[in-house]
Amino acid sequence: DQQVKQNSPSLSVQEGRISILNCDYTNSMFDYFLWYKKYPAEGPTFLISISSIKDKNEDGRFTVFLNKSAKHLSLHIVPSQPGDSAVYFCAACGGFGNEKLTFGTGTRLTIIP
Amino acid sequence: DSGVTQTPKHLITATGQRVTLRCSPRSGDLSVYWYQQSLDQGLQFLIQYYNGEERAKGNILERFSAQQFPDLHSELNLSSLELGDSALYFCASSAGTGNGYTFGSGTRLTVV
Repeated sequence: DQQVKQNSPSLSVQEGRISILNCDYTNSMFDYFLWYKKYPAEGPTFLISISSIKDKNEDGRFTVFLNKSAKHLSLHIVPSQPGDSAVYFCAACGGFGNEKLTFGTGTRLTIIP
Repeated sequence: DSGVTQTPKHLITATGQRVTLRCSPRSGDLSVYWYQQSLDQGLQFLIQYYNGEERAKGNILERFSAQQFPDLHSELNLSSLELGDSALYFCASSAGTGNGYTFGSGTRLTVV
């Protein structure tokens, strides 16, 4: 049972444009949602997170939006840069006492110069 | 350097063997998590330790076991290895939720 789903395995975006990565979840008990970026041969790197009590969180070029009623979140990167090319994982956890992360299968983002 | 250290980086071993993967968490972090990433798949949660005690268990096979020592480093033991155990094994540490987990660079295990 895939509780966190990233339905787009890959995405290509022109440099300077907006990249939008999507994620859906099924477990309404999830309390925190996180995005990780992963380069080959490296561990995932934390990007940005959002609590279930918020609907938006922004950090520089990265913004995460949460739509609880639709059980959907998205990561916006603007403007997209060549260094953003990587695999992006959406993850969720249940908060204190249930901190294990449930990951999606990832979206490979390619920024075209 | 993320602050989470995993050794070894690469491991090649034969079926039926036993290996130990080691993880040193970031300074001050009490929680250690182990994840497995098989080819083209997301990371699957295996097990979590908090300050030496098992806190949560995921889809960890009975052939696999882990522990966290008083100095907070952790070891993941994989025994009776099968070809399907070939994967990247990541360790992560955290001080809490919501502020992100810090991952190590992983151990690539190849079973031949």
